[in-house]
Amino acid sequence: SQQGEEDPQALSIQEGENATMNCSYKTSINNLQWYRQNSGRGLVHLILIRSNEREKHSGRLRVTLDTSKKSSSLLITASRAADTASYFCATDVNYGQNFVFGPGTRLSVLP
Amino acid sequence: ETGVTQTPRHLVMGMTNKKSLKCEQHLGHNAMYWYKQSAKKPLELMFVYNFKEQTENNSVPSRFSPECPNSSHLFLHLHTLQPEDSALYLCASSQVSGGFGGADTQYFGPGTRLTVL
Repeated sequence: SQQGEEDPQALSIQEGENATMNCSYKTSINNLQWYRQNSGRGLVHLILIRSNEREKHSGRLRVTLDTSKKSSSLLITASRAADTASYFCATDVNYGQNFVFGPGTRLSVLP
Repeated sequence: ETGVTQTPRHLVMGMTNKKSLKCEQHLGHNAMYWYKQSAKKPLELMFVYNFKEQTENNSVPSRFSPECPNSSHLFLHLHTLQPEDSALYLCASSQVSGGFGGADTQYFGPGTRLTVL
């Protein structure tokens, strides 16, 4: 399996509900990042959480990091149809400059 | 998306053609990246350039040839590609701090959708 893996692979919810996506990784990291990709477009950075942080907020986004379990979660509250996209976690590998992306979670928010 | 631009947005080429993808970043960053995104596969890092010097080549076939003439421009030259090379090619840039803070935030272009016939 890969350095970063998101779970679930696909998620479908109604507008207004909360969406939770999880990411697991294997090696030690300095930071973990979440990105969003609308269909066939480039990735957009959402949030970065460092290994010494446990939780971070940005607007309707809440990210947690548990380094003992090598896992992170992304919570989107009060979802909107515009949140429909693929969400990827990215982890640096062995404290390096570059990072590895997971396969992503496809989120569909139904109006 | 105006921070990192990519041209062309769509490209169809035959297996014997030679073409180039162009990426330009307007963010003053010192590192640039090429990624390949195929259907149902994770994003794959292809090449990394720091201060115009290639620092990583992730076992990419020689039919892909990168070029970084300056810290703002990155090219990917393509020749004798295979149908399995059809994918979305994404360029990204970042400001590398050089410390031990781990990977920096990367800013992506919109990608070039490549189809090899």
